[in-house]
Amino acid sequence: AQKVTQAQTEISVVEKEDVTLDCVYETRDTTYYLFWYKQPPSGELVFLIRRNSFDEQNEISGRYSWNFQKSTSSFNFTITASQVVDSAVYFCALSEGNYGQNFVFGPGTRLSVLP
Amino acid sequence: GAGVSQSPSNKVTEKGKDVELRCDPISGHTALYWYRQSLGQGLEFLIYFQGNSAPDKSGLPSDRFSAERTGGSVSTLTIQRTQQEDSAVYLCASSLRGFGALAGVSNEQFFGPGTRLTVL
Repeated sequence: AQKVTQAQTEISVVEKEDVTLDCVYETRDTTYYLFWYKQPPSGELVFLIRRNSFDEQNEISGRYSWNFQKSTSSFNFTITASQVVDSAVYFCALSEGNYGQNFVFGPGTRLSVLP
Repeated sequence: GAGVSQSPSNKVTEKGKDVELRCDPISGHTALYWYRQSLGQGLEFLIYFQGNSAPDKSGLPSDRFSAERTGGSVSTLTIQRTQQEDSAVYLCASSLRGFGALAGVSNEQFFGPGTRLTVL
């Protein structure tokens, strides 16, 4: 069955440190999608990225970067030069097929960036 | 422009009653998604619409849940005979394109503020 593991329950870093949030997934499908979402203390959910299984290219968006590696079934998320505003719970998710089938979220990693 | 809106923002109901939750996506967004978040179950995906069609409904928790989308715009999530375990924040999101589209800004999901449902 499909599964998403975020082994880090909570992480604390000091501002300006780099931090990597781990995400390991399990799926038997060859077509799948991976996601990262952010939920700040205010509670709203914010979409960060979606990757398709056939596109293993890594992505950088400002201070955020994502490393998608099929060989290790991982889709890790790195924040460079973290800021206090990055404090949030971050969720990794997996969806199989092309219609949102078997869509599962990881348990989330709570990131605290201290000033 | 307007973002995704959801109504009501809060709904308190009694066990056994039916409720309807509404989502107004961003105009022109073909894809619409429903999720829910509860203390007990965390984040869950419920259903995805491409246009007015929901190709897979297996994410709905039980047959008491149904969803529809009309005119490629507004979507309604209906819960019949509500149970206490249905208490959660129900979230709606929309994106310009959905699953199957190439990666890029077209698949960025925009979330509404959510509807907090409390079943007494």
